[in-house]
Amino acid sequence: QVQLRESGPGLVKPSETLSLTCTVSGASISSYYWSWIRQSAGKGLEWIGRIDTGGNTNYNPSLKSRVTISVDTSKNQFSLRLNSLTAADTAVYYCARRSVAGPYNWFDPWGQGILVTVSS
Amino acid sequence: DIVMTQSPDSLAVSLGERATVHCKSSQSVFYRSNNNNYLAWYQQKAGQPPKLLIYWASTRESGVPDRFSGSGSGTDFTLTISSLQTEDVAVYFCQQYYSVPPTFGQGTKVEIK
Repeated sequence: QVQLRESGPGLVKPSETLSLTCTVSGASISSYYWSWIRQSAGKGLEWIGRIDTGGNTNYNPSLKSRVTISVDTSKNQFSLRLNSLTAADTAVYYCARRSVAGPYNWFDPWGQGILVTVSS
Repeated sequence: DIVMTQSPDSLAVSLGERATVHCKSSQSVFYRSNNNNYLAWYQQKAGQPPKLLIYWASTRESGVPDRFSGSGSGTDFTLTISSLQTEDVAVYFCQQYYSVPPTFGQGTKVEIK
C-alpha cells in the first residue's frame, strides 16, 4: 500500500522560502510521477507541479517563477520549494502520485496534507 | 487553463435518496483519439485528503461502492450517489486532466437532510 507523508514548517514569514518534503513508502519513487497540490479557502485545489521518473519537472504557469520540485531517490522523497511567499500562499499542501494507468493526471493516493501559514 | 464549475455549491439529501452533483468545463475534455473524457471525481471528508472516486468520467476506482456513478461527455458531467449513506457526507470535486495544468472544480458539499 502506497503512503505519502508531507513534512516541513507550519509557519513561514512573508517573503521567505517554503521547503516541504514528501516521503513515499510502499513504492519506488523512481517508478512514478509525483505532484504537489495545494488547497486554500481562496483558490480551492490548485496543482503546483510534478516531477517525473527522469527527474524532469512541469509547473503550473501561475507559480512557475517561484517553484522548484526535486527528488532524492536515495531517501525515496521528493521536495517542494516555493519562494517569495505572501499570505496568498497560506494553504494545506498535499503531495500525490499521478495515475499509474498511464500519462494521465489524476491523483491517487494523496498524503494527509500539511497546513502552511504565511504570517509574520 | 480549463475552468471547472460545479453546481450546486451545497446540497442536503435525505438518507437513502439520490444526490446529484454537476460539473461543467470551460472547454471540451473529450479526446477523440481514444474516445475518453478526461474527467475525474474525488471525495473529501472533513480533515482528510481528497480520495479518487471516478476517472474517465465514469470508471469507478477499485473499492468505490457502486452507488457512486459518473456520467456525461464533452463539457457537462454528473456525479450521482444513488442512495445517500451517512458515510457519504463530504465535499466532492471534479477535475480535468485533458490539459496542463490539471484544474479542479470549487467543490460541492453534500450533507444529510
